Amino acid sequence: NAGVMQNPRHLVRRRGQEARLRCSPMKGHSHVYWYRQLPEEGLKFMVYLQKENIIDESGMPKERFSAEFPKEGPSILRIQQVVRGDSAAYFCASSHGQQKETQYFGPGTRLLVL
Amino acid sequence: GENVEQHPSTLSVQEGDSAVIKCTYSDSASNYFPWYKQELGKGPQLIIDIRSNVGEKKDQRIAVTLNKTAKHFSLHITETQPEDSAVYFCAAILNDMRFGAGTRLTVKP
Repeated sequence: NAGVMQNPRHLVRRRGQEARLRCSPMKGHSHVYWYRQLPEEGLKFMVYLQKENIIDESGMPKERFSAEFPKEGPSILRIQQVVRGDSAAYFCASSHGQQKETQYFGPGTRLLVL
Repeated sequence: GENVEQHPSTLSVQEGDSAVIKCTYSDSASNYFPWYKQELGKGPQLIIDIRSNVGEKKDQRIAVTLNKTAKHFSLHITETQPEDSAVYFCAAILNDMRFGAGTRLTVKP
């Protein structure tokens, strides 16, 4: 009965490098959400995906950020050409069904950009 | 879009006392209100939720109340214990889930 899995748990990148964050939803869940959390702040919605579809990306920065949820495998949040301001905790959540309710969160990936 | 405000930002209570955290939301169409507990270095954990057709829900020491007219909802923790110390987030769902800024609860033994 595994929960939401995220890896890596910690990621260090230098400015200009790429960061790839992975999320495997709970078993039976086909809806994935990504959130960003800056230190001492709440969670900010980034993107909502179903298998092979981006449903809502209204919270995603317009440049350098992309997300996918392929038919097979985990959801990927990709940040190209990282900058120091990208340093944050990135959380993935998953839910069952078409409602955006009852989201279960993973442990997060803490990204540090040097 | 939905805007969620949460108060207080920090709360310190003695073990055994009650703790109350309050949130307000802006869009009356929001219909689902979860509460999450986040411990240091971990992801948020759902602790209780309430839907817009219910006024109150209780689960052991935790309860949530919802006032749709005033557009506010509250988390109540009774008989607090040191392990209740964490950051608590309220949220409201309209088109997506919007979180409050969080309340850091400290329970002193």
